[in-house]
This record gives sequence, structure tokens and C-alpha cells, in this order.
Amino acid sequence: SQQGEEDPQALSIQEGENATMNCSYKTSINNLQWYRQNSGRGLVHLILIRSNEREKHSGRLRVTLDTSKKSSSLLITASRAADTASYFCATDPNTGNQFYFGTGTSLTVIP
Amino acid sequence: DVKVTQSSRYLVKRTGEKVFLECVQDMDHENMFWYRQDPGLGLRLIYFSYDVKMKEKGDIPEGYSVSREKKERFSLILESASTNQTSMYLCASSLGTYDSPLHFGNGTRLTVT
Repeated sequence: SQQGEEDPQALSIQEGENATMNCSYKTSINNLQWYRQNSGRGLVHLILIRSNEREKHSGRLRVTLDTSKKSSSLLITASRAADTASYFCATDPNTGNQFYFGTGTSLTVIP
Repeated sequence: DVKVTQSSRYLVKRTGEKVFLECVQDMDHENMFWYRQDPGLGLRLIYFSYDVKMKEKGDIPEGYSVSREKKERFSLILESASTNQTSMYLCASSLGTYDSPLHFGNGTRLTVT
């Protein structure tokens, strides 16, 4: 399997704190994407980082990519209760738009 | 906004039944995907399709088939449902370019008894 892995599996923080979650993957990639899933719903795309990029920002999200270590991190700054969700990384391993997902990090933000 | 619609949110079927899960997207996307999601296992790709009548196996195609007769519709078929196919099924579509994200439906929670 080409699945990636997120770390930690679960994370609980207070509102206003920063949340960091990590993703490791196995093969070379074209890009890496992060998705959010609210309980019982589909996934929503958050941000994409290309293999030739090292860092990307979008609002309160910051994504880094280290292709030499085959890893990425997602930082959510100044977290809110509404950020409570599961977060997944997905890689496009140069096979032509075929995505492989990690196992997810469950984030709980306590008001 | 892209809308991906899955026909059922919850479905209960009996072992041995033939089950159809339907997915429709409204943005003329080239690619469509079926994933299943299980606790601790994340999302696993069952089948995907690059074009009408085209299909490719993903990581776990056994026990499943798919049909794409029209560009906007991608059906997942369980020929003879088994209890180990109880899962959340997620359909997704994408434009088909390298940097295009996946757009997901809200999922179908299938229980096979």
C-alpha cells in the first residue's frame, strides 16, 4: 500500500493554541494535499503544496513539505472550536491524479 | 461550487444482496473515485475512472465493480454484499489536472447484516 500516516492519531488542545499534525508518506510525489473531515461528513480540501515547494500559507494554515524525509506538517494557528475535525494528508504519487490518503489525525479544540 | 451527491446517506442491506451506490457530480469533472473509510485504516481507494466507460482498480477492488456510462455519474456495485463490506463509502471527483483537488460527497454509511 502507498498509504501515508498522520501523527499524532489524536490531539486535544485549548482554544487559541496552535495545533500541529504530521504526515509521512512512502513514495515520490507530485503534490501533497490536506483535507478536513467533520464528523460523519465528506472531506473538504484545505491546501495543496507542490513537490518543489517547501512551505505554503493559507489563512491560519501553514503547511511544510520535506521531500527528502517524505514528510509534511500542517499547523493551525489560533485554533477555534470549529476546527474540531479529522485531518488527512493525501499524496499524488505521479501516477496521474491518483490520491493516497493517510489514516488521519483527530483534532479536538476545547472552548 | 462543485457538488458531489451520493444517493443515500444510510443504507442497510442483507448478506448476499446486490447493492448499488450512486454518485453524481455537476462540474463536468473528468475523474471520479470511490473510497471506503474504516476506523484506523483511513481512506482506501476501491476504483477510479478517468473517462466515460474507463475504470481502473485501486488498492481494494475485490468484491466491488463500477460503472461509468455518463461523465457525471459513477456507480459502485457490490455484487454480493458481505458483512466485511460494512463501511463508510465516499465518492469524489476532480478536474483531472495534476494540481486539482478532490471534491467529496457526504458519504454513504452502508451496513450489511
